[in-house]
Amino acid sequence: QKEVEQNSGPLSVPEGAIASLNCTYSDRGSQSFFWYRQYSGKSPELIMFIYSNGDKEDGRFTAQLNKASQYVSLLIRDSQPSDSATYLCAVNRFGNEKLTFGTGTRLTIIP
Amino acid sequence: EPEVTQTPSHQVTQMGQEVILRCVPISNHLYFYWYRQILGQKVEFLVSFYNNEISEKSEIFDDQFSVERPDGSNFTLKIRSTKLEDSAMYFCASSEQLGEQYFGPGTRLTVT
Repeated sequence: QKEVEQNSGPLSVPEGAIASLNCTYSDRGSQSFFWYRQYSGKSPELIMFIYSNGDKEDGRFTAQLNKASQYVSLLIRDSQPSDSATYLCAVNRFGNEKLTFGTGTRLTIIP
Repeated sequence: EPEVTQTPSHQVTQMGQEVILRCVPISNHLYFYWYRQILGQKVEFLVSFYNNEISEKSEIFDDQFSVERPDGSNFTLKIRSTKLEDSAMYFCASSEQLGEQYFGPGTRLTVT
């Protein structure tokens, strides 16, 4: 059974601080890693993807991948109240294969 | 910005009835997917579709489910005889060659 594990939270972070979200996966064949943001009652919104070991930055978001440790993380700098949402980690083995999702981490930014 | 659209946003049906959920993927995308999310649970894969045929399906996607691309724009999910446990949010997603999947707003299916 291929699993993606996330701490369900809630994770509370003060406004302006760095939020750090973590995800581990069991399938060593996983090649593509995605972070989705899901507001309550809404659909998953793709915010970051990463395919290679190391860091990838996009605005206030940084995705980090360590395939040897089977670990992927998302950092959100200068956290805003609008960042309050559930963050879903998803992985697949190759480009257009199904995504396997974690249960998500609920993030709350405290003003 | 192109986006995936889904109709209806909410569907209420009685147990045993057939439902069809509709999706219009992003126009230049080639790969289409259906996922579902039962309230409070994780997003689960149902089926993927490419080149007018199913490329992969999950254990959830049994004989009661079918998908179709009836024309050049629509992608549908049919549930032949709904059960109470089919109540969930159903998300359509699409991707182009590189694989990032973009989700539609979802259809909330309520089976009574």
